[in-house]
Amino acid sequence: KNQVEQSPQSLIILEGKNCTLQCNYTVSPFSNLRWYKQDTGRGPVSLTIMTFSENTKSNGRYTATLDADTKQSSLHITASQLSDSASYICVVSARMRGNKLVFGAGTILRVKS
Amino acid sequence: NAGVTQTPKFQVLKTGQSMTLQCAQDMNHEYMSWYRQDPGMGLRLIHYSVGAGITDQGEVPNGYNVSRSTTEDFPLRLLSAAPSQTSVYFCASSYSGQGGTYGYTFGSGTRLTVV
Repeated sequence: KNQVEQSPQSLIILEGKNCTLQCNYTVSPFSNLRWYKQDTGRGPVSLTIMTFSENTKSNGRYTATLDADTKQSSLHITASQLSDSASYICVVSARMRGNKLVFGAGTILRVKS
Repeated sequence: NAGVTQTPKFQVLKTGQSMTLQCAQDMNHEYMSWYRQDPGMGLRLIHYSVGAGITDQGEVPNGYNVSRSTTEDFPLRLLSAAPSQTSVYFCASSYSGQGGTYGYTFGSGTRLTVV
């Protein structure tokens, strides 16, 4: 069964600190992996997208890594800001008709001052 | 450039009522899809469309209908609302590229409560 598991479920960190969110998946055949940020009451917004051949992708203070062999990804947030408080969702695309997305349940990050 | 526009933002229905959630995109994307988001769960695909006139079922299609008469619009119809359909609904559009689909853009969501 195609699944995406994220950890931790929630995380609280102090402003300025770094953190790393984890994503494990069993989706096959793999097409690409995305990380989204979802603010409360809003739709998900794309942060990064990586294909099979990419093992790291950065977007400002966000850096995603992908190990396609172990089917693991991480999202590292550097020098966190209060505005980073959101849900971070790992999404894997399966290479099939419609290229369906399989969503993780998300990690809720709260950055405190 | 509005992206993906969903209406309404909030809706309360009585059990058994029907309604249509609207979704429109102005990016000329061929793919459009509807998801529902429930607490503690990832977004789940309800229905999707790979182009005008073509729709297909997703993971949780029961109780919902869709149609795609134009590239821009992809309405979601609840036939007879049930409390289990209380959720936040997101519409998304995307385009096909090398090896997959890209440019996923989500609407801001419709929060539906069925009482």
